[in-house]
Amino acid sequence: AQTVTQSQPEMSVQEAETVTLSCTYDTSESDYYLFWYKQPPSRQMILVIRQEAYKQQNATENRFSVNFQKAAKSFSLKISDSQLGDAAMYFCAYRSALNMRFGAGTRLTVKP
Amino acid sequence: GAVVSQHPSWVICKSGTSVKIECRSLDFQATTMFWYRQFPKQSLMLMATSNEGSKATYEQGVEKDKFLINHASLTLSTLTVTSAHPEDSSFYICSARDQMSRSGANVLTFGAGSRLTVL
Repeated sequence: AQTVTQSQPEMSVQEAETVTLSCTYDTSESDYYLFWYKQPPSRQMILVIRQEAYKQQNATENRFSVNFQKAAKSFSLKISDSQLGDAAMYFCAYRSALNMRFGAGTRLTVKP
Repeated sequence: GAVVSQHPSWVICKSGTSVKIECRSLDFQATTMFWYRQFPKQSLMLMATSNEGSKATYEQGVEKDKFLINHASLTLSTLTVTSAHPEDSSFYICSARDQMSRSGANVLTFGAGSRLTVL
């Protein structure tokens, strides 16, 4: 079965600094997508970034980038120049034609 | 961009009654929608996949008679919690993807969620 593991329940970063959130997954499928979603206190899930497994190039989206290591089944999220508005729960997600799984989440705190 | 509307955002009901939650794709058609349940400070748990015009596919351990899903049109899926009990109290979230979008076909758009409290 596909599993998604986020080993950091909580992380903290100073405003303007960089933080990396970890995610590993387990799958035997070859065609899948990986996502990072942000869930602020409003609980609205917001897409941060996505990565197609067949693409070797790491996805970037402004201050957000990923380090996708397919062989190691690792998909970490780097947030550069952290802002107060980045504070939220971050969920790593795996999706294939047959499965949709979320990690347990990492609560990110941004200190002013 | 794609927008998913979920209603109601908050509902309180008495034990034994049924509650219906709607999930609408506002500016796109979705043949498939997904329903999740989220307990406080926990992750999203996929409950079922809602398929337009056919039966929903439920995840293992989810009672299909308790959580009725109807996907009657390409823009609307409903989740009905039947004979609700306090243990059904939770945050329910739906999502859908715009399969016609070239750039967003593989991206899920989420509704804002519905908080159910069963007294």
